[in-house]
Amino acid sequence: SQQGEEDPQALSIQEGENATMNCSYKTSINNLQWYRQNSGRGLVHLILIRSNEREKHSGRLRVTLDTSKKSSSLLITASRAADTASYFCATEGRSFQKLVFGTGTRLLVSP
Amino acid sequence: SAVISQKPSRDICQRGTSLTIQCQVDSQVTMMFWYRQQPGQSLTLIATANQGSEATYESGFVIDKFPISRPNLTFSTLTVSNMSPEDSSIYLCSVEAQGTSGVGQFFGPGTRLTVL
Repeated sequence: SQQGEEDPQALSIQEGENATMNCSYKTSINNLQWYRQNSGRGLVHLILIRSNEREKHSGRLRVTLDTSKKSSSLLITASRAADTASYFCATEGRSFQKLVFGTGTRLLVSP
Repeated sequence: SAVISQKPSRDICQRGTSLTIQCQVDSQVTMMFWYRQQPGQSLTLIATANQGSEATYESGFVIDKFPISRPNLTFSTLTVSNMSPEDSSIYLCSVEAQGTSGVGQFFGPGTRLTVL
């Protein structure tokens, strides 16, 4: 399977703490995208990082990409209860727009 | 980013029947994608739908089970045929569009299907 791996599978933190999720993948990529999914609903696109980029920020989100290690991380700073969701990474290969999703991390932020 | 809607949002169906899911986009797009998310799992691509040509299916998915239509550049349908309980999943369509951090894939709200 080409599916990426994410860790941890589940993460439980308190409001105000930072949450870090990691994603590893197997093949060369064009870009890597992070998504949030609340309670089995649609996916919300959070951020895209290209293969020639190493770090990207968007609000409280920080994404890093290390193509030599085929890994990425998503950092959510100053977490809120509303950040409780599942987070998925997805990679787009070089030859096609098809996305390969990671296994996901379930984040629980307690008030 | 594109605004994507799906119908129905959820349905409960009997074994052996078929359900057609609709996906509408607010802009013209070349390719539309259909994904399946089984309970507690990640997303898996079913097929890619191009306007004017037959859909391209991923390994493990066949046209007889998941026929797809793409009549124009803003609309697509996915049919789940001869359903069994194993087809209970969330089905999502997506398109590529310009986002704030580059061209990414954006998803509809999904259709939650339960097969009894």
